[in-house]
Amino acid sequence: SQQGEEDPQALSIQEGENATMNCSYKTSINNLQWYRQNSGRGLVHLILIRSNEREKHSGRLRVTLDTSKKSSSLLITASRAADTASYFCATALLPRGAQKLVFGQGTRLTINP
Amino acid sequence: DAGVIQSPRHEVTEMGQEVTLRCKPISGHNSLFWYRQTMMRGLELLIYFNNNVPIDDSGMPEDRFSAKMPNASFSTLKIQPSEPRDSAVYFCASSLDRGRSYEQYFGPGTRLTVT
Repeated sequence: SQQGEEDPQALSIQEGENATMNCSYKTSINNLQWYRQNSGRGLVHLILIRSNEREKHSGRLRVTLDTSKKSSSLLITASRAADTASYFCATALLPRGAQKLVFGQGTRLTINP
Repeated sequence: DAGVIQSPRHEVTEMGQEVTLRCKPISGHNSLFWYRQTMMRGLELLIYFNNNVPIDDSGMPEDRFSAKMPNASFSTLKIQPSEPRDSAVYFCASSLDRGRSYEQYFGPGTRLTVT
């Protein structure tokens, strides 16, 4: 099964609302990253949080990491139509796999104007 | 910066034919990754290179798949012979690895259709 699994699989909200996506994983990690993929495009890196960090911010993005629960969440505040995309969490594994990322299945986010 | 460049963007071929996908990583990056994305299986890592050396090819589906990185600015993924189940979007990504895990930069992908 997937190392990282996102929840929900799909999310539809109104513009201006906050969007929260969750990611769970199974094994110990070096870090966890979130990526966005617009339809028909490659993935774009959003934010990286290391295993010794609990929370990180970048603009309208807020990521939390709970290593005891093996879970992470991505919060997008004040959503915009341009945020419509699929969002993936990716875990970098230990011990030698620090460079190897394992991606979840993604959450499809739709922002309705 | 041109970003990661992949070619072709679209490839349609018949079963049994050889397919070669190409990737030019971002200049200065020392790690390169090949992924495959399908609806059923999501995004799978096929193989990755560090300093032009294959590090982990455990994701390569079978012997029909091979990848090379002859120099720091070019890599190929070859499928011979191709099969309909190989139809997918293939992404190349690169990163600068100084011993810690850094973000990966993805190319636009090659959409492969095998009929």
